[in-house]
This record gives sequence, structure tokens and C-alpha cells, in this order.
Amino acid sequence: DVKVTQSSRYLVKRTGEKVFLECVQDMDHENMFWYRQDPGLGLRLIYFSYDVKMKEKGDIPEGYSVSREKKERFSLILESASTNQTSMYLCASSTPTGLNSPLHFGNGTRLTVT
Amino acid sequence: SQQGEEDPQALSIQEGENATMNCSYKTSINNLQWYRQNSGRGLVHLILIRSNEREKHSGRLRVTLDTSKKSSSLLITASRAADTASYFCATPRGYNKLIFGAGTRLAVHP
Repeated sequence: DVKVTQSSRYLVKRTGEKVFLECVQDMDHENMFWYRQDPGLGLRLIYFSYDVKMKEKGDIPEGYSVSREKKERFSLILESASTNQTSMYLCASSTPTGLNSPLHFGNGTRLTVT
Repeated sequence: SQQGEEDPQALSIQEGENATMNCSYKTSINNLQWYRQNSGRGLVHLILIRSNEREKHSGRLRVTLDTSKKSSSLLITASRAADTASYFCATPRGYNKLIFGAGTRLAVHP
């Protein structure tokens, strides 16, 4: 089974801090994704990466950056955390979805910015 | 913007009843996927239906796809309390991205 591991389940940070959310997958998937999930808004795509060092902005990239130095690891960076970034963050991986492949999700990181 | 939109937003039923959730989308797709999310956890893939398929089954799940109406439905038969979760449809955007709707919250009461 594919395993996607997010380094923290819960995280509390202060406004202005630099925050790193880490995600690792063990299936050699090309694609990795970061979504945020908020009540009533569903999942919104922040960034995705289709290969090492390659990235594309999703629908809500403002205030975030990403890093993919190795195929198995995809990091989401909040350069200066703000309270409106309090949310559930979900990482996922897949082979290219154009090939009709599903996403495999981690268990999420619930981030609170105070 | 969200590609898929689920309906209803919330559904409450008794154990043993069937649950039907609907999804509408806006652009042409080559597949549509349904996912389930238990409270506070990540999403789990349930079923994928290709654009040339009209119906697909997996255990107690039945998914239909009507490309002319740009809609899909997920039916859970003989529901159990353990089916309580949120259910999302998702459609591809471009070659690599998957876009999710806001989900349907299903509550199954014993």
C-alpha cells in the first residue's frame, strides 16, 4: 500500500513565524500535492509538483512556497505565518492523473496560527 | 474555483437505509473520482469512473456518470454507522491536477 506521511498531526505557531510542513511518500510517485481544507470550502489546491524541482501554483498559492529536492519529499513553507492560514493541510501523491490514477493522501496537519 | 459540487451538503439517515450523493461539474472530463474522509483524517480513494463508463460498482458502492448532464452520483446501499464520513467528488484539471468539491457530510444513525 502507498503510504503518505505528514510529519506533524497538530502544529501551533505564532504569527510571523516561518513554518515548514513536511510530506514523504514511499511509492516513487511523480506527482505530489498540497491542499488546504476549510469548513464549507472543501479542498483547495495550494501547489503541486510533477517532478523533482518542478512546481506549479494551484488556486491559492499566495503566502506559501514549496520545495521538492527529492522525489519522495514535498515541503510546504509558510514564509510568515498569519492567522488566516490556520487550517487543515493535506498532502497527496499520485502518478499522473491524466492516466486515471487516484490520489493517496496523508492524514493531514492541523495548523493553528495564533 | 471548484470543478465539482456535491449535493446535498449534509445527509442524515438511519442504518440500513441507502444514501445518495450527487456531484455536478462544469467542463469535459476523462474520469471522475469519489473519496471518503473520516473526521480529522486524510481522504481515501473509493472509486474511479471513466468518461466512457456509465455505472461502476464496488461492494456496497454504486457510482453513475452522465456526461451529457455533467453529473455523477454515489449510492451507498444498506448503510452502516461506520459509513459516517464526508464524501467528495474530484475531477481532473489538465493532465496532473485533481480538483475537489466541498463535499457531502453523511451521518448514519444506529
